[in-house]
Amino acid sequence: NAGVTQTPKFQVLKTGQSMTLQCAQDMNHNSMYWYRQDPGMGLRLIYYSASEGTTDKGEVPNGYNVSRLNKREFSLRLESAAPSQTSVYFCASSRQGQGRDEQFFGPGTRLTVL
Amino acid sequence: KQEVTQIPAALSVPEGENLVLNCSFTDSAIYNLQWFRQDPGKGLTSLLLIQSSQREQTSGRLNASLDKSSGRSTLYIAASQPGDSATYLCAVIQGGSEKLVFGKGTKLTVNP
Repeated sequence: NAGVTQTPKFQVLKTGQSMTLQCAQDMNHNSMYWYRQDPGMGLRLIYYSASEGTTDKGEVPNGYNVSRLNKREFSLRLESAAPSQTSVYFCASSRQGQGRDEQFFGPGTRLTVL
Repeated sequence: KQEVTQIPAALSVPEGENLVLNCSFTDSAIYNLQWFRQDPGKGLTSLLLIQSSQREQTSGRLNASLDKSSGRSTLYIAASQPGDSATYLCAVIQGGSEKLVFGKGTKLTVNP
């Protein structure tokens, strides 16, 4: 099992450009999550999908959109990137949501917005 | 609002030492607590999950305890090795919530 995979690993954007971060899991998990990690701020939840076909806002959703394409895949889109979105983005999944199971994380995407 | 604190922010120990990492949280109404390890430039690796009804969990040289009433958890690492060097994060989740609330981590260095 590959677990949780993310693409790309690194990305540099200019302000105003758009991009989509891809995430896939092969563990047949129902719930998927997007977090960002910033120095001094820790990890914060951007969006989550409790099950296929549903998405909800987390703590810091502004400037982002998500799509739960199917049970395996959950993408994060930046429509117009801003320097404040420079961060490391992690995707995670769990078998069941609402804290009933542990969350497993991907390797991250390191994004720089100039 | 739930806040998670990890003290100390950094810890350096000689190889072979037993050590304890601390995690405290302000709202005791948690559903579970999860400990992770993060290596530099890498993702998070789940170490242990403790449900709110449990007092402790063990995995190999790791033992995590949970005291909900006092808002504390500890991660005990026995016979530390240089390969244990990493940042250790704890995170809690409230009942009915999807959001893990993370501490800022303890950076552990185990010296050969």
